[in-house]
Amino acid sequence: SYVLTQPLSVSVAPGGTASITCGGDNIEGRSVHWYQQRPGQAPRLVIYYDSERPSGIPERFSGSSSGNTATLVISRVEDGDEADYFCHVWDNIRVVVFGGGTKLTVL
Amino acid sequence: QLRLQETGSGLVKPSQTLSLTCSVSGGSMSSNSWSWIRRSPGTGLEWIGYIYHNGITYYNPSLKNRVTISLDKSKNTFSLRLRSVTAADTAMYYCARGLVIAATPPYFDSWGQGSLVTVSS
Repeated sequence: SYVLTQPLSVSVAPGGTASITCGGDNIEGRSVHWYQQRPGQAPRLVIYYDSERPSGIPERFSGSSSGNTATLVISRVEDGDEADYFCHVWDNIRVVVFGGGTKLTVL
Repeated sequence: QLRLQETGSGLVKPSQTLSLTCSVSGGSMSSNSWSWIRRSPGTGLEWIGYIYHNGITYYNPSLKNRVTISLDKSKNTFSLRLRSVTAADTAMYYCARGLVIAATPPYFDSWGQGSLVTVSS
């Protein structure tokens, strides 16, 4: 089965840039989606198809994918960005795979 | 705007069956896929399974022997049944729409607020 690996935690100062990685075998060959889950809230889609942003998501959120790593980048980080972030791909078209999640802490 | 709302049993005894329903408003269930996803305390997101608008289902291999997802388009709802529950099934359960575009595997663009289910005697 396909495995996605994320760092457990990332810390960044307000106004800085946070990079959250998602590792998987030849992940660039798959579409990667990213979700943000703030404490006490439901997950929310922030990036789909590697780098597309849903309406209402700030331009500060961007995504990319190359080789074995997909990356979510959050620029000009704000306190409200503190959350857990999960990457998602499909395995064999039928099975959903989530990464283990990364806790973003705003210092 | 699409809205999803989970309802169901908040407390289930071990070995019994967990039942949840997701009500969908603001849109049709005649397309896309409809999923159940959970998050246990201290862990990440776990996909449970999904049902396509045509009734085809796929389940997480680790849960497939205990799970049934069904769809009622006339009521705009879909439901989850998880049998023989244990404390390990205690979690926040979310329903979500998988948006299908041009036959590519979907992404989850709309989520319910979640329903907390505790398994305890």
